[in-house]
Amino acid sequence: GENVEQHPSTLSVQEGDSAVIKCTYSDSASNYFPWYKQELGKGPQLIIDIRSNVGEKKDQRIAVTLNKTAKHFSLHITETQPEDSAVYFCAASIRGSGYSTLTFGKGTMLLVSP
Amino acid sequence: EAGVAQSPRYKIIEKRQSVAFWCNPISGHATLYWYQQILGQGPKLLIQFQNNGVVDDSQLPKDRFSAERLKGVDSTLKIQPAKLEDSAVYLCASSLTDQETQYFGPGTRLLVL
Repeated sequence: GENVEQHPSTLSVQEGDSAVIKCTYSDSASNYFPWYKQELGKGPQLIIDIRSNVGEKKDQRIAVTLNKTAKHFSLHITETQPEDSAVYFCAASIRGSGYSTLTFGKGTMLLVSP
Repeated sequence: EAGVAQSPRYKIIEKRQSVAFWCNPISGHATLYWYQQILGQGPKLLIQFQNNGVVDDSQLPKDRFSAERLKGVDSTLKIQPAKLEDSAVYLCASSLTDQETQYFGPGTRLLVL
């Protein structure tokens, strides 16, 4: 089955700095890669996703890049703010062939200091 | 649009007791998922329903866990008997189809003593 590795496990930055979280996946058939943000006491919330036919996607201060050859994808957050502090999860799945399930990484706790 | 609802939000039980969790998905969502999230880890899929049928329960410990989704709407997840290692957050998610975005509920935090 699919295996998703995520690094780092914790990341501390100063407000205004950029943050980068990296994930690798094992199944070359995976073609959909969402990123979820989980705040304390809440369920994960989708913040951005990317499909394998696209190399990069951007939404305001967040962007995701995908390298299919190396089987890794990254989340980039620019101009970080204290409200960005949360746990971020990457995930991978295969869409379009049979039923689709998500495999999650172990998460990255992002701390943004004012 | 109302989100995924779960209850209870917290539950403390002793080992060997039984417990049940309830989930009400977003209206019209055909696919429903139950995940187990152990502290410091990502969500792990336990079971996936398509309407009222099970699509994937390969990671469900069937000797103690059971789940049902009668009428293809609400779902319940039961643990009987509970073990210490079952302490975790149990997340319910739903999506329009299994090819669409999953929306998560707030979770039920279970502590087994």
